[in-house]
Amino acid sequence: DIQLTQSPSFVSASVGDRVTVTCRASQGISTWLAWYQQKPGKAPNLLIYGASSLQSGVPSRFSGSGSGTDFTLTISSLQPEDFATYYCQLANIFPYTFGQGTKLEI
Amino acid sequence: EVHLVESGGDLVQPGGSLRLSCAASGFTFNSYWMHWVRQAPGKGLVWVSRIKTDGTTTTYADSVKGRFTISRDNAKNTMYLRMNSLRAEDTAVYYCAREGVAGLDWYFDLWGRGTLVTVSS
Repeated sequence: DIQLTQSPSFVSASVGDRVTVTCRASQGISTWLAWYQQKPGKAPNLLIYGASSLQSGVPSRFSGSGSGTDFTLTISSLQPEDFATYYCQLANIFPYTFGQGTKLEI
Repeated sequence: EVHLVESGGDLVQPGGSLRLSCAASGFTFNSYWMHWVRQAPGKGLVWVSRIKTDGTTTTYADSVKGRFTISRDNAKNTMYLRMNSLRAEDTAVYYCAREGVAGLDWYFDLWGRGTLVTVSS
């Protein structure tokens, strides 16, 4: 099975900072990658699909890039509501694995 | 407005059984593949199972294969997860999620709020 490894697992940042989270696949997956945001006690929320397409309603400060094995999620200017955990997901390839998560803390 | 609402989570003893439900509203349920995803307390997301629009195709994670059964009733706009031979490691919040597709892209674009299953004696 294809594995996804996110880095870092934890990141501390401040409002206004630019933050980048990385997701690396154990083998090439083209652009079959999605990113989700999850806040404590809430369901995940889709941010990015197809590695770089912004889901409708998601603020433009979120962006995704990459193809093959290396992918990034970037938040250009952190807002207070962005402090959450972020997951990448192997899209449309069984077993639809999630990365282990990156917790973004103040 | 579109919604998914899970129910059926409970405290159950090891070896016991439980059936979860996922009620959909606000969209054409029978047009979408549906999935279950779980999250153990303080842990990450783990995909569990999926079912085709008409229920004819199902797929499971190795960790639940042979113990869990996914099904759906399109007349009731509801998906189910029957869980047998439950183990402590099945303790988690179980989410249902809708599979969205845009061209060649694929994602989970709608999630329920989850239902908690606790397996303990």
